[in-house]
Amino acid sequence: QAVVTQEPSLTVSPGGTVTLTCGSSAGAVTSGHYPYWFQQKPGQAPRPLIYDTTYKHSWTPARFSGSLLGGKAALTLSGAQPEDEADYYCLLSYVGSRPWVFGGGTKVTVL
Amino acid sequence: QVQLVQSGAEVKKPGASVKVSCKTSGYSFTGYSMQWVRQAPGQRLEWMGWINGGNGNTKYSQKFQGRVTITRDTSASTAYMELTSLRSEDTAVYYCAYYGSGSYSWAYWGQGTLVTVSS
Repeated sequence: QAVVTQEPSLTVSPGGTVTLTCGSSAGAVTSGHYPYWFQQKPGQAPRPLIYDTTYKHSWTPARFSGSLLGGKAALTLSGAQPEDEADYYCLLSYVGSRPWVFGGGTKVTVL
Repeated sequence: QVQLVQSGAEVKKPGASVKVSCKTSGYSFTGYSMQWVRQAPGQRLEWMGWINGGNGNTKYSQKFQGRVTITRDTSASTAYMELTSLRSEDTAVYYCAYYGSGSYSWAYWGQGTLVTVSS
């Protein structure tokens, strides 16, 4: 069964840009994995940001964008704000007995 | 608007079972699916299973196969997740999440239900 990996932590300066990645032990991540990205703050439920690799929900701030980068899914935050400090999880879709697998999460600090 | 409201926190003893409910409103319950996810303290999100709101078909993560049962009551627009043979490692926040197509996939989540397993 695939393991989905993310950077454990990243730090970005206010107004800066940071890219989070999401890799799969089963090989390259493609659009066929329908990558999702969620933001989670302490004590809150995950909040969806990106679906199907690049698409934003109506509530997703414009400074967030999704893409594929070097065989991984990527979430780029451009112009980081203090309120963006949170944990970010990716989610990939697979065929088989475990069709949905979350990454380990990336803790983003805005400092 | 779509709302998912989960049942309250539970404290259970090892070996017991827990049943968490997820009452929905604002959409056609039978037209979409419901996912269940859990998160142990300080840990990653973990997919448990899902149910098709229309035909009731289910699929479970192999990790929980045999211990988890997801059901639904269409008349009450409510989904349920029951986990049996609880152990301390099952202490976690359990979430339901609405799963539709496109922008509706994983778009709406319940507030979470804390299940504590302790003797």
